[in-house]
Amino acid sequence: DAKTTQPTSMDCAEGRAANLPCNHSTISGNEYVYWYRQIHSQGPQYIIHGLKNNETNEMASLIITEDRKSSTLILPHATLRDTAVYYCIVRVAGNQFYFGTGTSLTVIP
Amino acid sequence: ETGVTQTPRHLVMGMTNKKSLKCEQHLGHNAMYWYKQSAKKPLELMFVYNFKEQTENNSVPSRFSPECPNSSHLFLHLHTLQPEDSALYLCASSQNPSGGFYEQYFGPGTRLTVT
Repeated sequence: DAKTTQPTSMDCAEGRAANLPCNHSTISGNEYVYWYRQIHSQGPQYIIHGLKNNETNEMASLIITEDRKSSTLILPHATLRDTAVYYCIVRVAGNQFYFGTGTSLTVIP
Repeated sequence: ETGVTQTPRHLVMGMTNKKSLKCEQHLGHNAMYWYKQSAKKPLELMFVYNFKEQTENNSVPSRFSPECPNSSHLFLHLHTLQPEDSALYLCASSQNPSGGFYEQYFGPGTRLTVT
């Protein structure tokens, strides 16, 4: 599976949109992009996934570039409870997840 | 609540002890996983069970012994651990991953300290 590159940490003001980037320049055509987050000392939580098209659910939006080499997770109105480590993962169906080190997002009051 | 429970939540054990971690999922899934998360390190996949059969063992030392008696329960038996085995142990479940695109649901983890 392709590996991903994410910034180590980011800050976001409460109520503003949090935009978390991810580079996956070696992604192959059949690999999906997944996002999970992990609040301190808890298990990771699924957020969203996509292949080519942009996706939106009740938690977030996922924007994938046309060449699929990068993506952005958008939390439209960040709250203090969104402070967590966010993992961007690419994988083929049936294969293991590789979580990497993720981006530590801090939402500031 | 994710539908995946783990007990105990915290465990302190000596290097000569034998203990077991338990995981239970109430989601009707048929794949279960053990992960290890050491301080400031990425999650490491340890074992995968698919329909109660072990399908992955990522070079885990034999002092960790998994058991999956049915698709809802997963155990991790611990024996003669080392201090470097101290970590957060996470259990997860999902639908059968073969050929499918799925999300994993994680339990809250067991914080293990080996003294």
